[in-house]
Amino acid sequence: NAGVTQTPKFRILKIGQSMTLQCTQDMNHNYMYWYRQDPGMGLKLIYYSVGAGITDKGEVPNGYNVSRSTTEDFPLRLELAAPSQTSVYFCASTGQGLGEKLFFGSGTQLSVL
Amino acid sequence: SQKIEQNSEALNIQEGKTATLTCNYTNYSPAYLQWYRQDPGRGPVFLLLIRENEKEKRKERLKVTFDTTLKQSLFHITASQPADSATYLCALEGSGNTPLVFGKGTRLSVIA
Repeated sequence: NAGVTQTPKFRILKIGQSMTLQCTQDMNHNYMYWYRQDPGMGLKLIYYSVGAGITDKGEVPNGYNVSRSTTEDFPLRLELAAPSQTSVYFCASTGQGLGEKLFFGSGTQLSVL
Repeated sequence: SQKIEQNSEALNIQEGKTATLTCNYTNYSPAYLQWYRQDPGRGPVFLLLIRENEKEKRKERLKVTFDTTLKQSLFHITASQPADSATYLCALEGSGNTPLVFGKGTRLSVIA
């Protein structure tokens, strides 16, 4: 059982470049989330989705976009990469949302130089 | 504004002792509180969930308490082992089906 799969694991971007971080889950979960984690700063929510076709902003959405065309996939798009987006990005999912544990992917380490 | 504080960035204890980690919150009325473990280079892994009407929850060597009056949760690891060394995150969830909000975490080191 794969759970939550993120690709790539590592990426280096130049300022102004674009990329998409991929996230897919095979647990038929409705709720999916993107968090970023900076050293010593905990996890901050970027965007989340409560089901296919529905997305909403989290605490730090600027500079990012998401889409949710299927239940399984929740890609995160960086349009114009900036050094401030250097971070570790985690995708997570849960079944019904309230009162349920999150399943996390292994993360994508992104550096913008 | 809402705030979650975990007592310290790092905690060192001797093997066999009980580790106690603290999570305090302000301007928040969580319906649920969760604890996660995170190892270096990996995503967080769920450990325990406690509801606002529960005082205590146990799972093997782990115990979580939740005091909504003090706005505090304590996370205990009894008979700690070097393998318990990791970062532990607390996370709060409100009653309105809002996403989990995480604290910064406490890095626990268990010394043999």
